[in-house]
Amino acid sequence: QVQLVQSGAEVKKPGASVKVSCKASGYTFTSYGISWVRQAPGQGLEWMGWISAYNGNTNYAQKLQGRVTMTTDTSTSTAYMELRSLRSDDTAVYYCARDPDGDYLDYWGQGTLVTVSS
Amino acid sequence: SSELTQDPAVSVALGQTVRITCQGDSLRSYYASWYQQKPGQAPVLVIYGKNNRPSGIPDRFSGSSSGNTASLTITGAQAEDEADYYCNSRDSSGNHEVFGTGTKVTVL
Repeated sequence: QVQLVQSGAEVKKPGASVKVSCKASGYTFTSYGISWVRQAPGQGLEWMGWISAYNGNTNYAQKLQGRVTMTTDTSTSTAYMELRSLRSDDTAVYYCARDPDGDYLDYWGQGTLVTVSS
Repeated sequence: SSELTQDPAVSVALGQTVRITCQGDSLRSYYASWYQQKPGQAPVLVIYGKNNRPSGIPDRFSGSSSGNTASLTITGAQAEDEADYYCNSRDSSGNHEVFGTGTKVTVL
């Protein structure tokens, strides 16, 4: 069965960076993209960007351009999302999700809470 | 601010029908997908494409689209359908994805 298992919760200080991992299993990793979505406490879902696990092509949300980097390691079927220059409003649960064709997200990770606090 | 607008909250009597709408210019060109999210849980895909349900999603969930509005209909709402629902599609440029503002569904 398809599973996406994310790394554990993180606490970071403002200005630091965080790197969240998402390990995929149960399907051919390079046949699908991975999207990242975040949700601030009590707020809605925010699309952060997408990466092709086939060729590494990326597409980032404009508001995060320059601060976010998405990568994959095909040898371990793992996707990564790094966010730099963290601010308090980056405090959120971060999700990875499998993206079959850029139009929907069919399997989701369990989420990773990132807390940014001094 | 999101380019896809949803009503913040709707309520439905047990066993009745509720329609959740999502409005945005990009919906004239792109389908919406719909996600159900219960407190403390990851979102779950319930509808994608023209009107497709993933395996395991009950057939009381259906999707439709007209003009700049996409709709998710729950026919015969059950207590377990109480959740937040989000639409997702492309933004007006077509280059990025965007989520709707979300609708909280209460089953009375």
